[in-house]
Amino acid sequence: AQSVTQLDSHVSVSEGTPVLLRCNYSSSYSPSLFWYVQHPNKGLQLLLKYTSAATLVKGINGFEAEFKKSETSFHLTKPSAHMSDAAEYFCVVSSTSGTYKYIFGTGTRLKVLA
Amino acid sequence: GAVVSQHPSRVICKSGTSVKIECRSLDFQATTMFWYRQFPKQSLMLMATSNEGSKATYEQGVEKDKFLINHASLTLSTLTVTSAHPEDSSFYICSARKQGVLGNSPLHFGNGTRLTVT
Repeated sequence: AQSVTQLDSHVSVSEGTPVLLRCNYSSSYSPSLFWYVQHPNKGLQLLLKYTSAATLVKGINGFEAEFKKSETSFHLTKPSAHMSDAAEYFCVVSSTSGTYKYIFGTGTRLKVLA
Repeated sequence: GAVVSQHPSRVICKSGTSVKIECRSLDFQATTMFWYRQFPKQSLMLMATSNEGSKATYEQGVEKDKFLINHASLTLSTLTVTSAHPEDSSFYICSARKQGVLGNSPLHFGNGTRLTVT
């Protein structure tokens, strides 16, 4: 069975400083992993995805994530935070068969301080 | 491309009435759509998987008679909350996967519906 753990429920950074949002996964098979962002009262927007190609994945808005099999991690990073990055971020693992359901992490709320 | 439109964005209804939420894939066909519920400051909980032309598959603990799902075409799925009660108040989000792509391809999400039952 697949599962995903987001280690921090809240992260605060100052504008212009790096962002690190942590995610660990558990999967019996080679997983498909995603990061989504949700702004208040909105749906989810895909930031990036890992589907067994390059381990360093670049996404939109300057975000990237590195798949580390040895550490079962897929942490999301950004070199310099912007005020508009303040939102809820979800790490997601997709089941590997059937309807490929998404299994969501509990989310990390990113706060960007001026 | 890959736009999912969800309507309405907000709805307020009285206890005991039914509410229908629509989820449309605007520029692609979706064999499978998923319905989620999100409580305040919490993650998304999968309610059911909707397959075009067949019955929806509900997750454990979700009442199929209360949350009716219809996926009548490759571009439209509806969720009807029947006999709504205040505890059904929540944020409902749909998502869709393009027809014919790999199963692990990304889902595309609607903007959600805020349901308030008074």
